[in-house]
Amino acid sequence: AQSVTQLDSHVSVSEGTPVLLRCNYSSSYSPSLFWYVQHPNKGLQLLLKYTSAATLVKGINGFEAEFKKSETSFHLTKPSAHMSDAAEYFCVVSEYLKTIFGAGTRLFVKA
Amino acid sequence: ETGVTQSPTHLIKTRGQQVTLRCSSQSGHNTVSWYQQALGQGPQFIFQYYREEENGRGNFPPRFSGLQFPNYSSELNVNALELDDSALYLCASSLLAKTSGRGGTDTQYFGPGTRLTVL
Repeated sequence: AQSVTQLDSHVSVSEGTPVLLRCNYSSSYSPSLFWYVQHPNKGLQLLLKYTSAATLVKGINGFEAEFKKSETSFHLTKPSAHMSDAAEYFCVVSEYLKTIFGAGTRLFVKA
Repeated sequence: ETGVTQSPTHLIKTRGQQVTLRCSSQSGHNTVSWYQQALGQGPQFIFQYYREEENGRGNFPPRFSGLQFPNYSSELNVNALELDDSALYLCASSLLAKTSGRGGTDTQYFGPGTRLTVL
C-alpha cells in the first residue's frame, strides 16, 4: 500500500541558509514522486517530479530532491532560502489510479 | 498559471443540501482528479475520471459523485452535505497514458480550488 510521511510539520530557517524538507514513502510498485508548494490562498504548484530517470531531480526556484530507494526517501532541498519560499510543501506519491499527499510541511523563513 | 479553472471560487451551503462544483481541464489533458483539502491538512484523493469514466476512488462515500464530459471538463457532486464536508476542493488535470503496469502517473496540474463552507 502507498503511504507518504513528511517528517516535519514545521521547519524554520533564516533567509540565505539551506532548506531541508524530509519525506519518506512506501509503495508496492515503482511510483512517481512529486513535490508541490502551496502559498496562502493559492493553488498547488509543481516544484519537481521523479519518474525513475535520474535520482537527483532539479525543480523550479532552485529546489531539488534526491530519490533514495534504499532509504525510501525523497527529501527536498534548496541551498539558500528566500523569503518568498515561505509556504506549505507537500510530498506526493502517485501510482496508477491513486495519488497520496503527505500531511505537509510549513516552511517559515526568517529575515 | 496551469490553465485549469474551477467554479465557483467560494460557496456556502447548509447541512443536507447538495452542491455541484465544476472544473475545466488544461488543453490536451484527458484525466481529471478531485481532491478534498480540509483546513491544515494535505489534499485527500476523492476520485479520478478518465475518458468519462470513474477510474479510481479514494475513501469517500457514494454521496460524492462525479462526471466527466466529452470536452474533458468535470463536475463534482456532493449530496446530503455534512459539516465535515467544509473544505477546499481541488481538481487536477493530467494526461494519462494507460499502460499494462502499475507505474507512476503523469504530472497533475491543479486548479485554484473551490472553498466550500457547510453551515
